[in-house]
Amino acid sequence: GAVVSQHPSRVICKSGTSVKIECRSLDFQATTMFWYRQFPKKSLMLMATSNEGSKATYEQGVEKDKFLINHASLTLSTLTVTSAHPEDSSFYICSASARGNTEAFFGQGTRLTVV
Amino acid sequence: GESVGLHLPTLSVQEGDNSIINCAYSNSASDYFIWYKQESGKGPQFIIDIRSNMDKRQGQRVTVLLNKTVKHLSLQIAATQPGDSAVYFCAENISGNTPLVFGKGTRLSVIA
Repeated sequence: GAVVSQHPSRVICKSGTSVKIECRSLDFQATTMFWYRQFPKKSLMLMATSNEGSKATYEQGVEKDKFLINHASLTLSTLTVTSAHPEDSSFYICSASARGNTEAFFGQGTRLTVV
Repeated sequence: GESVGLHLPTLSVQEGDNSIINCAYSNSASDYFIWYKQESGKGPQFIIDIRSNMDKRQGQRVTVLLNKTVKHLSLQIAATQPGDSAVYFCAENISGNTPLVFGKGTRLSVIA
């Protein structure tokens, strides 16, 4: 199957700093990428949908100025958590799909811990 | 809000037995369904999918059943193995590049 690489897998940062998470599709062109957040023992909650070359669409309750998403190419999307706080600590997961293909391929996830 | 839910949050089965994980969905417009397996600290792993024009699909040791009448989806795992222990999520969407909506998840524990 298609491969989606997410980096870093784990990151610890100080409160108030920003963290960038990368999501790359390695063997296909991802016209759409999705960012999810997952708290312990909970399901994946969609944060935003990112289409290449356009602004991301954020779900209700997700602050676009805090979670900056950039999808500048067909193989890379980034999520930047700005001015991180301990409550932002979570597991962040990206997924990518190609045009016209409903199947989404997931990255390995990033465990963010804000101290 | 979520439109997909699960009947059982946890499931324990003996190694070698068959497992059945259930899922209810509420969006009758959904036409694509996927089961994912998630191990601790990892991203979801695709298991099997099914489109709404089918009611059954089989893979290796897994079978997905779709009942559109009652909006119910199930995952059957034959001869469950310790390596099957994980959290299983069903997900749905409507055709096109729409985001998947995930159910709450069921933790499967295989007893050796």
